[in-house]
Amino acid sequence: QKEVEQNSGPLSVPEGAIASLNCTYSDRGSQSFFWYRQYSGKSPELIMSIYSNGDKEDGRFTAQLNKASQYVSLLIRDSQPSDSATYLCAVIPGGKSSYKLIFGSGTRLLVRP
Amino acid sequence: DVKVTQSSRYLVKRTGEKVFLECVQDMDHENMFWYRQDPGLGLRLIYFSYDVKMKEKGDIPEGYSVSREKKERFSLILESASTNQTSMYLCASSFSDTGVYGYTFGSGTRLTVV
Repeated sequence: QKEVEQNSGPLSVPEGAIASLNCTYSDRGSQSFFWYRQYSGKSPELIMSIYSNGDKEDGRFTAQLNKASQYVSLLIRDSQPSDSATYLCAVIPGGKSSYKLIFGSGTRLLVRP
Repeated sequence: DVKVTQSSRYLVKRTGEKVFLECVQDMDHENMFWYRQDPGLGLRLIYFSYDVKMKEKGDIPEGYSVSREKKERFSLILESASTNQTSMYLCASSFSDTGVYGYTFGSGTRLTVV
């Protein structure tokens, strides 16, 4: 079992719709969770972080964390073609390695005009 | 604007050459990382450093070495470049507790070994 799992996609949504991206993780002791956006040929950029159960909103983005079920999700409201990218979920596992992020393989999002 | 700067955006090298990839950060981060990213394989950690002159192997260190002589600079060295090292190389840095702010990535170096 991979430590951080994401559906590779592509997830295709029409412009204006809500895009829902999901991620599950295996280490129950994980404490910090991040979403990165990566455009084709570019490097990842941090868009959201979440540490507590529940929702965290930032503009059109909402991160959701459920530690009991070990999943974290990212909702993008009013999706735009410019949101088309690969979204990487990243987790800090529990234990001593608190400095190393574990990445999922990413979900490719395609927003159709 | 805080930055992680990678010295080259694109690089073409010949098989057998010794290759240096440089990464500099201006955020006073303790941790620095080198990843490679290949289609279908995701981000794979090569080496990381949590302090000056300290380093630890990541998941795929074979064929690579690193150097961190100063806090702001972390170099990746390909001792004898091979075609299977053709890839996108990404440098990242973070504070000692990565969980607080996560990584900041450089813009990447696309290396082609011919």
